[in-house]
Amino acid sequence: AQTVTQSQPEMSVQEAETVTLSCTYDTSESNYYLFWYKQPPSRQMILVIRQEAYKQQNATENRFSVNFQKAAKSFSLKISDSQLGDTAMYFCAFMKPLGAQKLVFGQGTRLTINP
Amino acid sequence: NAGVTQTPKFRVLKTGQSMTLLCAQDMNHEYMYWYRQDPGMGLRLIHYSVGEGTTAKGEVPDGYNVSRLKKQNFLLGLESAAPSQTSVYFCASSYSKSRLETQYFGPGTRLLVL
Repeated sequence: AQTVTQSQPEMSVQEAETVTLSCTYDTSESNYYLFWYKQPPSRQMILVIRQEAYKQQNATENRFSVNFQKAAKSFSLKISDSQLGDTAMYFCAFMKPLGAQKLVFGQGTRLTINP
Repeated sequence: NAGVTQTPKFRVLKTGQSMTLLCAQDMNHEYMYWYRQDPGMGLRLIHYSVGEGTTAKGEVPDGYNVSRLKKQNFLLGLESAAPSQTSVYFCASSYSKSRLETQYFGPGTRLLVL
């Protein structure tokens, strides 16, 4: 079974700083997908970014980028020029591409952006 | 286009009571999922469905039942609620059987079992 681990329960940075959230996972699969979801205080789950394991290039979405290290089974999220609206819980998630496309989530990292 | 909606938003139950949570999506999605979220933990899959009339167990199915009689609806039932089922419940849906699709989440249902 796949497992996802986020070792940073909480992080706090100043507005405009860059912050990196860590995620490691365990799988015997060679092809899979990885995601970062954001959950603000409203509790709505919002997809931030996704990475396909067979793609070597790291995914980027505006201020959000990932550092995907397949051999190390590491998938970190970098937020550049952080904004107050980035304050949220961030979840890393794993998915096998075939079948029911079930997500396996990490425990989450609570990120606070301070003014 | 409302996306994924959940009813109710909040509910208080007494131990032993039953209830049904309703998830509805208007995106013609094939796949639907029920997750629970507990403090300090990520979302965990309870049950899921890959099409109308089909359901399957996820990671934490005990104490729950589900039904998918219509493609757009996915119901989660608690037959005899227990305090351990106090949680926030999320429904999600996605479209395709043959390619990766993003899972779209509902706003969540907060359930308190006393």
